Amino acid sequence: AQSVSQHNHHVILSEAASLELGCNYSYGGTVNLFWYVQYPGQHLQLLLKYFSGDPLVKGIKGFEAEFIKSKFSFNLRKPSVQWSDTAEYFCAVRGGADGLTFGKGTHLIIQP
Amino acid sequence: EAGVAQSPRYKIIEKRQSVAFWCNPISGHATLYWYQQILGQGPKLLIQFQNNGVVDDSQLPKDRFSAERLKGVDSTLKIQPAKLEDSAVYLCASSSWDSQETQYFGPGTRLLVL
Repeated sequence: AQSVSQHNHHVILSEAASLELGCNYSYGGTVNLFWYVQYPGQHLQLLLKYFSGDPLVKGIKGFEAEFIKSKFSFNLRKPSVQWSDTAEYFCAVRGGADGLTFGKGTHLIIQP
Repeated sequence: EAGVAQSPRYKIIEKRQSVAFWCNPISGHATLYWYQQILGQGPKLLIQFQNNGVVDDSQLPKDRFSAERLKGVDSTLKIQPAKLEDSAVYLCASSSWDSQETQYFGPGTRLLVL
């Protein structure tokens, strides 16, 4: 069975600060990795995904994530956050033909 | 392209009552998923359909939950009877046959069981 662990449940940053949200997963085989974002009052949206190839993937709105296979990690980063990045962020893994397994989420608050 | 549609958006019922949720996936998407998201947690997969067949329902509490996708398009998820711990947001997602890795989510149905 696959599982996902997100390191921080709540993160508070000031605008222009750098962001890194941790995500570790467990699964014995090849996985697809995702970060989803849920802005206040909106539904889940795909931020970025990793299937294969370059372990550094770039997503929308300046976000990027790095897949480190040896550490079973897929951390999300953004060099300079904006107030509009306030949202809930979910890391998810998909192994084989299974549905997604999500982490518990990180609630990010950006203070202006 | 229209997104995944769900209804109702909100539902309040009393425990032991029954409730049903409806989902219309993105046109042409063969795979449909139902997730349960309890407050403070990430979504948990309840059931996955491929066309009108069930692929995975291992986490569906089958004593009270049921789901169907009779014509391989729309789907309904039913809870009967509801318990207090069923209070959650029920999310529907869909993906295409040739890109099953990427799921598109609907707005969800927020259920409160009193």
